[in-house]
Amino acid sequence: AQSVTQLGSHVSVSEGALVLLRCNYSSSVPPYLFWYVQYPNQGLQLLLKYTTGATLVKGINGFEAEFKKSETSFHLTKPSAHMSDAAEYFCAVSALNNNDMRFGAGTRLTVKP
Amino acid sequence: EAQVTQNPRYLITVTGKKLTVTCSQNMNHEYMSWYRQDPGLGLRQIYYSMNVEVTDKGDVPEGYKVSRKEKRNFPLILESPSPNQTSLYFCASSANPPGYEQFFGPGTRLTVL
Repeated sequence: AQSVTQLGSHVSVSEGALVLLRCNYSSSVPPYLFWYVQYPNQGLQLLLKYTTGATLVKGINGFEAEFKKSETSFHLTKPSAHMSDAAEYFCAVSALNNNDMRFGAGTRLTVKP
Repeated sequence: EAQVTQNPRYLITVTGKKLTVTCSQNMNHEYMSWYRQDPGLGLRQIYYSMNVEVTDKGDVPEGYKVSRKEKRNFPLILESPSPNQTSLYFCASSANPPGYEQFFGPGTRLTVL
């Protein structure tokens, strides 16, 4: 079975600073990896995903993530934080032989002016 | 507009009073799923359905029931709600797991007194 660990339940950055949200996964088979964002009082929406191919994945709103098999990581980055990026972010993993998706506990991002 | 809808959005009830949370999607998706979101625990899957009349347990199925009689609908039933089922519930759908994006509903905040 797959699992996900998100390091840091809360991350605070200044506007314009680099955003780095960490995600490590565990999977015995090649994983499919996802980052979702949840704005207050809303459902989750997909930021980006990795299935196969290029390991650097670009998503919406200037976010990107890199799949590093050797480190079992899929960290989310954005070069310059904007106030509108304040939200909760979830990393998730699934795999070809599974019918479910496992989510991390989430990281709440705060952006200070 | 492609969407997943849930009703009600907010519900306060009392222990033991049966309730149903409806979920409907208009994207002709085969796969549907229910999650609960609790602080510090992320999203945990309750039940999922691969297609009509095909359902299976997720990680936390105790105290819940589901049915999938039509492709578009996937109601969540709490036969005898208890306070530990107070949570934020999300319905999601996708074309086919596991590599596809899941589309989430807006959530149902349930309080069981």
